Amino acid sequence: DTGVSQNPRHKITKRGQNVTFRCDPISEHNRLYWYRQTLGQGPEFLTYFQNEAQLEKSRLLSDRFSAERPKGSFSTLEIQRTEQGDSAMYLCASSSETRDSWMDTQYFGPGTRLTVL
Amino acid sequence: GNSVTQMEGPVTLSEEAFLTINCTYTATGYPSLFWYVQYPGEGLQLLLKATKADDKGSNKGFEATYRKETTSFHLEKGSVQVSDSAVYFCALSDVTNTGNQFYFGTGTSLTVIP
Repeated sequence: DTGVSQNPRHKITKRGQNVTFRCDPISEHNRLYWYRQTLGQGPEFLTYFQNEAQLEKSRLLSDRFSAERPKGSFSTLEIQRTEQGDSAMYLCASSSETRDSWMDTQYFGPGTRLTVL
Repeated sequence: GNSVTQMEGPVTLSEEAFLTINCTYTATGYPSLFWYVQYPGEGLQLLLKATKADDKGSNKGFEATYRKETTSFHLEKGSVQVSDSAVYFCALSDVTNTGNQFYFGTGTSLTVIP
């Protein structure tokens, strides 16, 4: 198992363009999370999938953001009409619901760094 | 609501010094508590965790004890090494109706000098 992978690792785009990021979770992990991290801050929760169902969305997730996990495996995060304030590191994490606890551990990918010019 | 507060950095220590990074939390339920570490150029890695009061998490010489009475989860290491230089994040996990959500602190940057 190679862990959580994210592509691309870096993305530079012009304001107003659309961007899409991909996350491949650890195989057999049924939960997948997206976070945003800005410089000097901890990760902020964006959204969460259990299998293919998107179960929670943060208020941080404006209508320009959309996430999918069509087959319950990889996930994509799309940002439409990017703004300079979208510049951040976008992190993906996956986890597996344990039999005896909800308190599962999340394993993080390396992130995609987005720069909006 | 849920939140995590950790001591601000940056922290600079000499090799073999004692490390403490303070973390306190606010939670409505009974969260699990975590320390994650982010080495330069790498993703977040789980360092240790504790799932209930008085539990002690430990890994790679680091320890943290879940203190419900003081709502704290301070990270300690008796003798730091240069390779411990990284950013450390305290986090809590809270159960929601549909799963669990993580709340992270702002991170504490540690630099260990030889």
